[in-house]
Amino acid sequence: GDSVTQMEGPVTLSEEAFLTINCTYTATGYPSLFWYVQYPGEGLQLLLKATKADDKGSNKGFEATYRKETTSFHLEKGSVQVSDSAVYFCALSGNSNYQLIWGAGTKLIIKP
Amino acid sequence: DVKVTQSSRYLVKRTGEKVFLECVQDMDHENMFWYRQDPGLGLRLIYFSYDVKMKEKGDIPEGYSVSREKKERFSLILESASTNQTSMYLCASSRPGTGVNGYTFGSGTRLTVV
Repeated sequence: GDSVTQMEGPVTLSEEAFLTINCTYTATGYPSLFWYVQYPGEGLQLLLKATKADDKGSNKGFEATYRKETTSFHLEKGSVQVSDSAVYFCALSGNSNYQLIWGAGTKLIIKP
Repeated sequence: DVKVTQSSRYLVKRTGEKVFLECVQDMDHENMFWYRQDPGLGLRLIYFSYDVKMKEKGDIPEGYSVSREKKERFSLILESASTNQTSMYLCASSRPGTGVNGYTFGSGTRLTVV
């Protein structure tokens, strides 16, 4: 069945470092891909999405490109801030009309 | 601003109590979901609903039930709370065609069962 694999955390970086959080997927058909962010004590918020191959989603300085050839949707940011500390979830739309398939989440810690 | 509202941010209940977690959305979404989130286990789907009075079991429905009498409201019920149900509970909603729109989440309810 469909699945999402994220790099294990926590990922610890210094402020202004370059960020990559890896996400790969297995899916039949042509899923949409999402990154959600969860700040401490909060629910999840949609960060960005891409609905077809080679699309790039972007928001708040974060970017991710839908790579069908490598079945990947890696999250990147050029210069992270302490306020980016959160848990990041990669997800894909499965064959169901209802459900998203979730990765396990990656905790990001940014140190000043 | 469109919203999914969960009635409580923090809740403490005793073992054996019947617990209701309420979720209301104002976006006229057809689909609603209940997840629980535990450290190291990610998001696990408990139940979802794709229409009023319709419900489907998710991955971990045991010990839970749900109610959806109105389109905007989706309630999660713990029939007899147990300590292993201490968790963060997240409600979400979406339109049909989740692939395009994704989910909108509430802020979560952190439930402690003592």
